[in-house]
Amino acid sequence: ETGVTQSPTHLIKTRGQQVTLRCSSQSGHNTVSWYQQALGQGPQFIFQYYREEENGRGNFPPRFSGLQFPNYSSELNVNALELDDSALYLCASSRLAEETQYFGPGTRLLVL
Amino acid sequence: GDSVTQMEGPVTLSEEAFLTINCTYTATGYPSLFWYVQYPGEGLQLLLKATKADDKGSNKGFEATYRKETTSFHLEKGSVQVSDSAVYFCALSVSPAGGTSYGKLTFGQGTILTVHP
Repeated sequence: ETGVTQSPTHLIKTRGQQVTLRCSSQSGHNTVSWYQQALGQGPQFIFQYYREEENGRGNFPPRFSGLQFPNYSSELNVNALELDDSALYLCASSRLAEETQYFGPGTRLLVL
Repeated sequence: GDSVTQMEGPVTLSEEAFLTINCTYTATGYPSLFWYVQYPGEGLQLLLKATKADDKGSNKGFEATYRKETTSFHLEKGSVQVSDSAVYFCALSVSPAGGTSYGKLTFGQGTILTVHP
């Protein structure tokens, strides 16, 4: 069984740029969630996707957007990057009716 | 809103010492409770979970009991090892009454554990 994978592992951008992060869900899972983990903090929920639609959103502005594809892979897009967007971005997949989420290794984004 | 509070850290122990990391929560609905572990430079791994009151989750010598009366889910291990050094996160997921959780996890701030030989 293949686990959750994310790409790239690290990324450096400058303020104002746009970034796309990618996630491949664990086999058999139909939901994907994205979290932002600032240094020294717990992860914060950004949003979840199910059946290619947003299925819940945390307290993040609209410049954070996402996509889920028919094969259950997903993208997180962030526009107009700000310095405070520097963080570890974690993707997690699960089955809709199950509580447990399985996390990928994360993408570390640095905004200069 | 829902929230999780973990004990202030970091925690430094000698090998074979007893570990307790406190976690309390506030939640609407019916929370499931989790402990995740994060090793340096890695993502989160599920350590254990409990989905209803009085359930005990256990894994790799770690245990936690879901205490509804004290809204707590403290993590314990009888004898820690150097390899247990990591950051530990308590988290909850709330399901609306009788419904299916949409999967949002609310995390505590994390507790850094360092175990010395």
